[in-house]
Amino acid sequence: EAGVAQSPRYKIIEKRQSVAFWCNPISGHATLYWYQQILGQGPKLLIQFQNNGVVDDSQLPKDRFSAERLKGVDSTLKIQPAKLEDSAVYLCASSLGLAGRGEQFFGPGTRLTVL
Amino acid sequence: GENVEQHPSTLSVQEGDSAVIKCTYSDSASNYFPWYKQELGKRPQLIIDIRSNVGEKKDQRIAVTLNKTAKHFSLHITETQPEDSAVYFCAAGRGGSNYKLTFGKGTLLTVNP
Repeated sequence: EAGVAQSPRYKIIEKRQSVAFWCNPISGHATLYWYQQILGQGPKLLIQFQNNGVVDDSQLPKDRFSAERLKGVDSTLKIQPAKLEDSAVYLCASSLGLAGRGEQFFGPGTRLTVL
Repeated sequence: GENVEQHPSTLSVQEGDSAVIKCTYSDSASNYFPWYKQELGKRPQLIIDIRSNVGEKKDQRIAVTLNKTAKHFSLHITETQPEDSAVYFCAAGRGGSNYKLTFGKGTLLTVNP
């Protein structure tokens, strides 16, 4: 079974620039999560999708971050404009959703550096 | 919202010894407690999880205990091996199968040969 795929793996941008990350979850997984992991900390949930609907985005900084999952499969997370404090690893995870027992499978992450 | 505290932040043990990592949570409605292992530069991987209807779960050298009254849970690794060296994260979640997880800050475990 293929795992969660993410791209790019690394990205370096200047502050105030825009950046987008892509995630392809495990086939058949209805629930998709985006996490932000700052160095030395645990992952922090940004947004959770069930199919193509948003379940929770309470910790997403909506003035600069946006995410979509248009067809209930792939998802993109965008930052516009980026700030220095956005430097982190952005992890995508997926789970079976209501049909499963809750286990979340993580992708390899995208390491973002904002200069 | 949920708050998860994890201790210690670093732990160094000799190969063959046991390691214990402890977490506390604040939301009494949390009912799912997974533990993830993250090796340097790699993705977090689930190693064991427990739900609030049981007090203990074991899988070979790994066990997790849960005390709902005190709102704390612990990871126990016995007969540690150098390949157990990694960062371990606890998390707490609530809901049905679509758990919203809150993670602890992690414990860097080093197993010295």
